[in-house]
Amino acid sequence: QSVLTQPPSVSAAPGQSVTISCSGSSSNIGNLHVSWYQHLPGTAPKLLIYDNTKRPSGIPDRFSASKSATSATLGITGLQTGDEGDYYCGSWDSTLTAWVFGGGTKLTVL
Amino acid sequence: EVKLVESGGGLVNPGGSLTLSCAASGFCFSCYDMNWVRQAPGQGLEWVSTIATAPNGPTYMYHADSVKGRFTISRDNAKNSLYLQMDSLRVEDTAVYYCARGGREADLWGQGTLVTVSS
Repeated sequence: QSVLTQPPSVSAAPGQSVTISCSGSSSNIGNLHVSWYQHLPGTAPKLLIYDNTKRPSGIPDRFSASKSATSATLGITGLQTGDEGDYYCGSWDSTLTAWVFGGGTKLTVL
Repeated sequence: EVKLVESGGGLVNPGGSLTLSCAASGFCFSCYDMNWVRQAPGQGLEWVSTIATAPNGPTYMYHADSVKGRFTISRDNAKNSLYLQMDSLRVEDTAVYYCARGGREADLWGQGTLVTVSS
């Protein structure tokens, strides 16, 4: 059971958009920054979003994120087959004194 | 080139020990907190350990409850290297172990090294 809760899977057609939710608590998302990671098969995880809404250089603006209270959302527009993989939210947890991840969401581009 | 390269994985018996290494290059290694994150077969990412270094101050280490007392994270800034000493290994420690740079978020990851604990 992960501290951060994500849906197990989402799917959409190429060119469409999806959102992935991440629910936490005041010990993590509610008071600390959220980051999002893309993990494609056979590759290292990649940082997509940091500080709740910021994109590192090189990450296309098709990827965006928001945060409200103890929840965060990742949005992906203009879906491509190359986007298929697993997506994780992460945050530090001040009560656990631990870095926590969501269980991951598998994105399928139909 | 900015990169992290893990090594030291392999097959080990339950109860055994293994030390993982992560070689950093292309950036100021001593300037960053560093982490180990693992992924067991068919599972999601799981944070293992973080080592945080304050300039001219003490080094802080944090470990997940699942490895506390068995794993120890350390670093050698002179060698631009991160380590994970893993003792009393269990079958459930089988995973790909990733080295990752950063404190509040991990902005650089290695390709991972596979640790298999099996008799």
